[in-house]
Amino acid sequence: DAMVIQNPRYQVTQFGKPVTLSCSQTLNHNVMYWYQQKSSQAPKLLFHYYDKDFNNEADTPDNFQSRRPNTSFCFLDIRSPGLGDAAMYLCATKSAGGEDTQYFGPGTRLTVL
Amino acid sequence: DAKTTQPTSMDCAEGRAANLPCNHSTISGNEYVYWYRQIHSQGPQYIIHGLKNNETNEMASLIITEDRKSSTLILPHATLRDTAVYYCIVLGGNKLVFGAGTILRVKS
Repeated sequence: DAMVIQNPRYQVTQFGKPVTLSCSQTLNHNVMYWYQQKSSQAPKLLFHYYDKDFNNEADTPDNFQSRRPNTSFCFLDIRSPGLGDAAMYLCATKSAGGEDTQYFGPGTRLTVL
Repeated sequence: DAKTTQPTSMDCAEGRAANLPCNHSTISGNEYVYWYRQIHSQGPQYIIHGLKNNETNEMASLIITEDRKSSTLILPHATLRDTAVYYCIVLGGNKLVFGAGTILRVKS
């Protein structure tokens, strides 16, 4: 089945140690999103790609960056994770040309020690 | 983006209909109402969306008032697996802005 895949599902890193989370999709969607969801809170958009065009949310910290090497893959890089960056990170995709429905992956839960 | 207001939590008996209300009084004419749900430790799952007319799919029904200022998501026969946080979102542009949602607890 076409889907949004996130690996790994659980990631542990050390304070200040760079970490990369990955997302892939088989839906061939133009738009890919990264959300952060802290415990007991709603998902919060960090940034999104419209094809290769990167769109950062105004309040996304500089510590968070993203790469999209091709349509299928998108990466979230956290340059120097702090304890406050522990969260679930969600990837979502959307087709630009049709329905506005976003399809989410299962998320990666990041723990910072 | 238009704001939404939902009850913090609701309980529903297994097998009964779950009716989840949402207020979106500042919705614009071209903005859709979307519903997602999030089961614990999973990614949000799309349920249904609508503009003006009532909508139904295999998961749920969406009833939108004529003035579009509120809507109700209906799960016709709730099961324990429907226990989740339900988000009502008014979509403007490319971005979903999640509110706090409603915690639905389905009880046997």
